[in-house]
Amino acid sequence: DQQVKQNSPSLSVQEGRISILNCDYTNSMFDYFLWYKKYPAEGPTFLISISSIKDKNEDGRFTVFLNKSAKHLSLHIVPSQPGDSAVYFCAASDGGNQFYFGTGTSLTVIP
Amino acid sequence: NAGVTQTPKFRILKIGQSMTLQCTQDMNHNYMYWYRQDPGMGLKLIYYSVGAGITDKGEVPNGYNVSRSTTEDFPLRLELAAPSQTSVYFCASSYEASFYEQYFGPGTRLTVT
Repeated sequence: DQQVKQNSPSLSVQEGRISILNCDYTNSMFDYFLWYKKYPAEGPTFLISISSIKDKNEDGRFTVFLNKSAKHLSLHIVPSQPGDSAVYFCAASDGGNQFYFGTGTSLTVIP
Repeated sequence: NAGVTQTPKFRILKIGQSMTLQCTQDMNHNYMYWYRQDPGMGLKLIYYSVGAGITDKGEVPNGYNVSRSTTEDFPLRLELAAPSQTSVYFCASSYEASFYEQYFGPGTRLTVT
């Protein structure tokens, strides 16, 4: 059963505009969330995280928003750049030893 | 630092063959993980280890075995390969568990025919 869901398999955005990637989860015990970025033929690399005590975390062009009541988080990329084209995974943990990953959203930034 | 390295990068196995996927990290991380990623799917945890000599099952452990004799190495063993094990396998490591990001290797693409 998929506890972390990314319902949009793909997203296309014009360069310079905002990219919004969404992630939903079902387990209310999840308290730490991460976003990873993955280029083809490479392993995922960590992008940004947020703990459940916050509702927003920023790092440069990347901002993650967490809505605990809706069990929803989103990643905003502003402004989007062609180098941001990749697959983005969200992942969640309940404080144990495991992370649960979503199925990924493939972002294409059009120059 | 090389980070997390995996060998081989690609492998084709026949049904019933066995092989070991190698994973090494040089960051002195206690936690190591093996994931598989099937097309259009997220990463599924196969096994993980919280330190040398300690391993535990993840979501999809059937058909696999692991060992952790040193901090650096965490090999994944496939016995009696089946077509359902065709996947991309990622090894990862982290300093601690839930509140630390994982560092991933480049992956091993395995095909079982």
